[in-house]
Amino acid sequence: EAQVTQNPRYLITVTGKKLTVTCSQNMNHEYMSWYRQDPGLGLRQIYYSMNVEVTDKGDVPEGYKVSRKEKRNFPLILESPSPNQTSLYFCASSLNRVSEAFFGQGTRLTVV
Amino acid sequence: GESVGLHLPTLSVQEGDNSIINCAYSNSASDYFIWYKQESGKGPQFIIDIRSNMDKRQGQRVTVLLNKTVKHLSLQIAATQPGDSAVYFCAENRGEDKIIFGKGTRLHILP
Repeated sequence: EAQVTQNPRYLITVTGKKLTVTCSQNMNHEYMSWYRQDPGLGLRQIYYSMNVEVTDKGDVPEGYKVSRKEKRNFPLILESPSPNQTSLYFCASSLNRVSEAFFGQGTRLTVV
Repeated sequence: GESVGLHLPTLSVQEGDNSIINCAYSNSASDYFIWYKQESGKGPQFIIDIRSNMDKRQGQRVTVLLNKTVKHLSLQIAATQPGDSAVYFCAENRGEDKIIFGKGTRLHILP
């Protein structure tokens, strides 16, 4: 089954404690993205990757890092989480930038 | 601020009627537009897309219209059903690699 898998689904952490949210896709897609979703603000792109070892900033990259060492995986790293990073996060993948994106189920992160 | 937005945050439609969800964009360089549906507790799901060299595209019960003159995008859902209740997002790709989403419209189906 074609899917994008994120882990964990829920996470509560404390300010400053490094965390990683994993994302994996099994569709051999080149383009992968991370988004955060906040009430009233819709989805905002954090980082995206056009292919292995190619990543770039989206609209809200501050406080986040990503890596793309393999085509299927695109982890989101929060080196020092802060409460304003409390949000619902989605990973997505698509064949390229002009094709439909498949989204994961989301990771609800709470930073206290 | 967001360059892709929606005129109405909530739309209530009688079951069986047609729904029209609107979206405005500001970047004339955008070359690809997508509509997504998000049900409660789930990730967004692709509905339909359209490229800037087209004015209209039809899918199953859905039609997307693109008016480049006024930078307007709309999603039409025919014979709206209870299962259509969701938040709908438009998104644009500006000819670069970023994708910008609108803030979403909640579609509420009245029995």
